[in-house]
Amino acid sequence: QSVLTQPPSASGTPGQRVTISCSGSSSNIGSETVNWYQHIPGTAPKLLIYTNDQRPSGVPDRFSASKSGTSASLAISGLQSEDEADYYCAAWDGRLDGYVFGTGTKVTVL
Amino acid sequence: QVQLVESGGGVVQPGKSLRLSCAASGFTFSSCGMHWVRQAPGQGLEWVASIWQDGNNKYYADSVKGRFTISRDNSKNTLYLQMNSLRADDTAIYYCASEPTLGSKYFDYWGQGTLVTVSS
Repeated sequence: QSVLTQPPSASGTPGQRVTISCSGSSSNIGSETVNWYQHIPGTAPKLLIYTNDQRPSGVPDRFSASKSGTSASLAISGLQSEDEADYYCAAWDGRLDGYVFGTGTKVTVL
Repeated sequence: QVQLVESGGGVVQPGKSLRLSCAASGFTFSSCGMHWVRQAPGQGLEWVASIWQDGNNKYYADSVKGRFTISRDNSKNTLYLQMNSLRADDTAIYYCASEPTLGSKYFDYWGQGTLVTVSS
């Protein structure tokens, strides 16, 4: 089971801002960097944010992220229809000696 | 451009074995950590295994430890996942992913995945 907890769903109308939370512990988010992935079912997952708040080239600046203590969050501003996807936070877990993903949040554009 | 192409998936009976491959191109494979991640039907992403650049360090999720083996052939730019004693709950799409540099702890490129179905 996932050790990083996310809300199962989030939604908004085009142009709105949506925020997704990710709650972990001292062995993962509390001591490691957080990454975020976007996954449209049937396609390859895509790196959205790395090292807490860095965007790979090509990722729009509508996507931003932050980390504080044992929690992290992803924000999508100016929501667009193409942002409809599943979003996962992830981090290395030093206690498990492995990589852990969040439970995933399905974002729906109304 | 970077390409990761998985193969080897299929339908297999419980208790049997299967080997997945991931052919890499477009980057210096031997310089990158490599990983397997899976997604069971209706479930989220689950990390399966990781291997460092030289192949000497390997890590496994508890759910596959002792049954799965990750390996790589840097001369062939190929990553492998040997899956033994397969169970129904191993049914999933298996993705390979690359890590840009040692210690990055994130996956910058992913393949399209290969489906493994464990069923009698």
